[in-house]
Amino acid sequence: NAGVTQTPKFQVLKTGQSMTLQCAQDMNHEYMSWYRQDPGMGLRLIHYSVGAGITDQGEVPNGYNVSRSTTEDFPLRLLSAAPSQTSVYFCASSPDRARGGYTFGSGTRLTVV
Amino acid sequence: AQSVTQPDIHITVSEGASLELRCNYSYGATPYLFWYVQSPGQGLQLLLKYFSGDTLVQGIKGFEAEFKRSQSSFNLRKPSVHWSDAAEYFCAVGALNNAGNMLTFGGGTRLMVKP
Repeated sequence: NAGVTQTPKFQVLKTGQSMTLQCAQDMNHEYMSWYRQDPGMGLRLIHYSVGAGITDQGEVPNGYNVSRSTTEDFPLRLLSAAPSQTSVYFCASSPDRARGGYTFGSGTRLTVV
Repeated sequence: AQSVTQPDIHITVSEGASLELRCNYSYGATPYLFWYVQSPGQGLQLLLKYFSGDTLVQGIKGFEAEFKRSQSSFNLRKPSVHWSDAAEYFCAVGALNNAGNMLTFGGGTRLMVKP
């Protein structure tokens, strides 16, 4: 019963480097999202997906790319890391449009120096 | 666009005392409302949710919340706080659109429990 699994848990990047944050869920959920959490700002939506092959932008998409080739996986790519992307990143999944509520992974803490 | 305000950044209560965490939302239609809890270094866990019907909803860990449309509020309550309740609490509103349910979160309230 893994739920939502995020890797890595911690990462330090240099400015300009690229990387991919991994997210996988084993609940066969159609809806998946990426959020970033910054102190005092709650969680803000980066990108989301309503099924394999379908993605869209959230509130703060700049500097991030996503793809959804399978139901299980929803990776988040940082194209050229900037210090402003230092944050904690959460992946979440939900079985339907609203009623199920989202299940969250344990997060990836990213520091860009 | 929807928004959520949690007026209290920090709250400290004594163990055994009652708790109320405030949440106010702005949304043009009937909202879907959620409360999540986050323990240090952990992800968010769903405490309870409101979609329709009875305005008093029960959740896990002894929490409840009351939806008040006239006040645009969805306050979280617990009659007797335990030390293990110390955590950060997030209120969220879900906005349905053609693509799905987008959650907008408040800034969070950090709860500290005194022995």
